[in-house]
Amino acid sequence: GAVVSQHPSWVICKSGTSVKIECRSLDFQATTMFWYRQFPKQSLMLMATSNEGSKATYEQGVEKDKFLINHASLTLSTLTVTSAHPEDSSFYICSARDQGAFAWYFGPGTRLTVL
Amino acid sequence: DAKTTQPPSMDCAEGRAANLPCNHSTISGNEYVYWYRQIHSQGPQYIIHGLKNNETNEMASLIITEDRKSSTLILPHATLRDTAVYYCIALNSGGSNYKLTFGKGTLLTVNP
Repeated sequence: GAVVSQHPSWVICKSGTSVKIECRSLDFQATTMFWYRQFPKQSLMLMATSNEGSKATYEQGVEKDKFLINHASLTLSTLTVTSAHPEDSSFYICSARDQGAFAWYFGPGTRLTVL
Repeated sequence: DAKTTQPPSMDCAEGRAANLPCNHSTISGNEYVYWYRQIHSQGPQYIIHGLKNNETNEMASLIITEDRKSSTLILPHATLRDTAVYYCIALNSGGSNYKLTFGKGTLLTVNP
């Protein structure tokens, strides 16, 4: 199946700093990518839909100024957690749709720990 | 998207078939049934999807009832590596911006 990569796989940062997470579709083009967050022992929660060349669409309750999304090309979307705080510590996962395969594929996730 | 209901957990012996049920009684005619799984601390993995016919691939089989109100994912010979949370999702997959939303899924534990 199609491959989606994320970088970094884990990151530790100090409170108040910003962290950027990259999501790439490696063998297909994705006009739309999705960002999820997962807290321990919980299910994935959709944060936002990233649209190539336009603004992201955020789910209710997700602060767009805190979670900046940029989808600059058909293979790359980035999520920047601005002024991170310990409560932002979570597992962040991206997903992209391969229309030809009729399925969504997920990256391996990024573990963010904010001290 | 139609709501799906799954048991919170199941156990299976290694080498035996694992049959994971899913109820989706409000599914509409153009909604597919998708199955994903998530192994601990990894991103979800696509398993299979179907509309109304039974489907089989190298990972699993999907059996959808004739009225489409429920389905069963079958792992024919479960291994320890199949221990994961399995998610059943009903979704109209016609557009590229249709989004997958996850419920709580079923934690399948494969025992030696």
